[in-house]
Amino acid sequence: NAGVTQTPKFQVLKTGQSMTLQCAQDMNHNSMYWYRQDPGMGLRLIYYSASEGTTDKGEVPNGYNVSRLNKREFSLRLESAAPSQTSVYFCASRSRDFGIQYFGAGTRLSVL
Amino acid sequence: SQQGEEDPQALSIQEGENATMNCSYKTSINNLQWYRQNSGRGLVHLILIRSNEREKHSGRLRVTLDTSKKSSSLLITASRAADTASYFCALETSGSRLTFGEGTQLTVNP
Repeated sequence: NAGVTQTPKFQVLKTGQSMTLQCAQDMNHNSMYWYRQDPGMGLRLIYYSASEGTTDKGEVPNGYNVSRLNKREFSLRLESAAPSQTSVYFCASRSRDFGIQYFGAGTRLSVL
Repeated sequence: SQQGEEDPQALSIQEGENATMNCSYKTSINNLQWYRQNSGRGLVHLILIRSNEREKHSGRLRVTLDTSKKSSSLLITASRAADTASYFCALETSGSRLTFGEGTQLTVNP
């Protein structure tokens, strides 16, 4: 049982390049989330999806887009990467019954 | 702000001692959760306490919640070196969204 799987684990981009971060969960959860974590800080919500077919902005959505491809998969896209998007990105899914979020191992992104 | 504020920002103790960290907030909550993050890893859920609960236990963890003071505390008893990590409180205020604090860095020295 893999839980929440994120790919890639590491990525280096040049300013202006685009990329998609992939996330998949195998726990049949309805809700999925994308966060970013900057040094010495907590997590900030970028986008979330309460259920398949719906997405909503979080606290810091500018510069990002998301796609809820199906119940399992929730991707985050950077169309034109900027140095300010250098961060660690975490995907999570939520258990409806218990309200607990389960996190992936993270993607460490550097934008030069 | 809907964010929880943890105190202290950093805590260093000896193995076997108890560790207490606190979380204060300003809004009404559905529940408050504590998560642990080991260096370079994702967050792991530790314990959830609902707004109508005052205290919960899980192994060596004890969480209290005082909704009148809008504060919570996490106590780790008989700390081990393996407890070294960052600890975050997270508030569920509406829907299924969580708002995380900035965390307490706990170091347990052998």
